Amino acid sequence: DAGVIQSPRHEVTEMGQEVTLRCKPISGHNSLFWYRQTMMRGLELLIYFNNNVPIDDSGMPEDRFSAKMPNASFSTLKIQPSEPRDSAVYFCASSLLPGQQETQYFGPGTRLLVL
Amino acid sequence: ELKVEQNPLFLSMQEGKNYTIYCNYSTTSDRLYWYRQDPGKSLESLFVLLSNGAVKQEGRLMASLDTKARLSTLHITAAVHDLSATYFCAVDIYRGSQGNLIFGKGTKLSVKP
Repeated sequence: DAGVIQSPRHEVTEMGQEVTLRCKPISGHNSLFWYRQTMMRGLELLIYFNNNVPIDDSGMPEDRFSAKMPNASFSTLKIQPSEPRDSAVYFCASSLLPGQQETQYFGPGTRLLVL
Repeated sequence: ELKVEQNPLFLSMQEGKNYTIYCNYSTTSDRLYWYRQDPGKSLESLFVLLSNGAVKQEGRLMASLDTKARLSTLHITAAVHDLSATYFCAVDIYRGSQGNLIFGKGTKLSVKP
């Protein structure tokens, strides 16, 4: 299995631009999670999906952030417009449905720098 | 306020020594996870602890969970340089569904010869 796939791996953009991060979960996994990691705030859960349905988006910082999961094999996290404080590493993770004795498997992350 | 606190946050140890990392959490939960992160890399799952008294071991690492004390420990035995990394604990807070994890700030471990 290829594991969780994220793209791009690195993104440098200017303030005000739209940024789209992509994630392909492990095949057969039903849950997908988006995290943000910064030195100041550590690892934060932004949103997660079960069977493509958003369950908890209370971690999404503000309306500039949106996430979709149109099918079981693809999810996007969009920031529009981007701001310098959005600079972070964004991880996508997937797991089997909650209730299974299963951990979350993390992707390699997208390093975002907003200038 | 929900808290997951790890200590120490920084740990420098010599090879061959033993040490324990502590993870305290403030909410009721019986699911706790330990992850490892190497610099510039992703998170790798180490242990999944699913009940009070659970103990798991892999190589020089052993993790345990005491849900009554809301405490998990990660014990390192005879440390080697390859164990240098940041270690995170994460607690499932069951908000909305299972799988909603709150992470500690991590313990950065450096093992020196």
